[in-house]
Amino acid sequence: GESVGLHLPTLSVQEGDNSIINCAYSNSASDYFIWYKQESGKGPQFIIDIRSNMDKRQGQRVTVLLNKTVKHLSLQIAATQPGDSAVYFCAGATGFQKLVFGTGTRLLVSP
Amino acid sequence: SAVISQKPSRDICQRGTSLTIQCQVDSQVTMMFWYRQQPGQSLTLIATANQGSEATYESGFVIDKFPISRPNLTFSTLTVSNMSPEDSSIYLCSVRAQGADGYTFGSGTRLTVV
Repeated sequence: GESVGLHLPTLSVQEGDNSIINCAYSNSASDYFIWYKQESGKGPQFIIDIRSNMDKRQGQRVTVLLNKTVKHLSLQIAATQPGDSAVYFCAGATGFQKLVFGTGTRLLVSP
Repeated sequence: SAVISQKPSRDICQRGTSLTIQCQVDSQVTMMFWYRQQPGQSLTLIATANQGSEATYESGFVIDKFPISRPNLTFSTLTVSNMSPEDSSIYLCSVRAQGADGYTFGSGTRLTVV
């Protein structure tokens, strides 16, 4: 059968914990970043975005942090729920042109 | 945000044949892209579909293998030609609407080549 996700790093957390998913990017010209959530059999779903003139942006239960000095992006999920279990991807673009994806992290939330 | 309809959602094809995937958007969009997602991996950009001109392909992807059309601002097709089992992947359409942040994705086409 299909082996989805076996090549991806995995973060396992307990329900109610806070989750932090990290992403490093290589293109210093990237000025726009997005975090996506992908559930099995579905396309990537937008979670939150941030432009390079910001270092933090908050949404509902999610926060994205951007450190341009070390070219690092993180996604924080507060009070993680079983429904948050999915694969999470960061992606970046320059000048709102093509979007380039990171390697992805599988989040597993245990009840 | 734009709503994308991608067809077919899945298919099983014989090696050596070709499959054309359609991407229909409910509004005019500035940019359309095609991605490939191999099993257990991230998304890799195949090409940017340009309206009225040839698509812009990424390194490792060529027009003969992945011909793309974009006749207008709401529709594009990707053809996977002369398929082999290595082409078994999920193929995804993505768009960015003019004046809008964010890139929206279709639900993908799951292709299996036997």
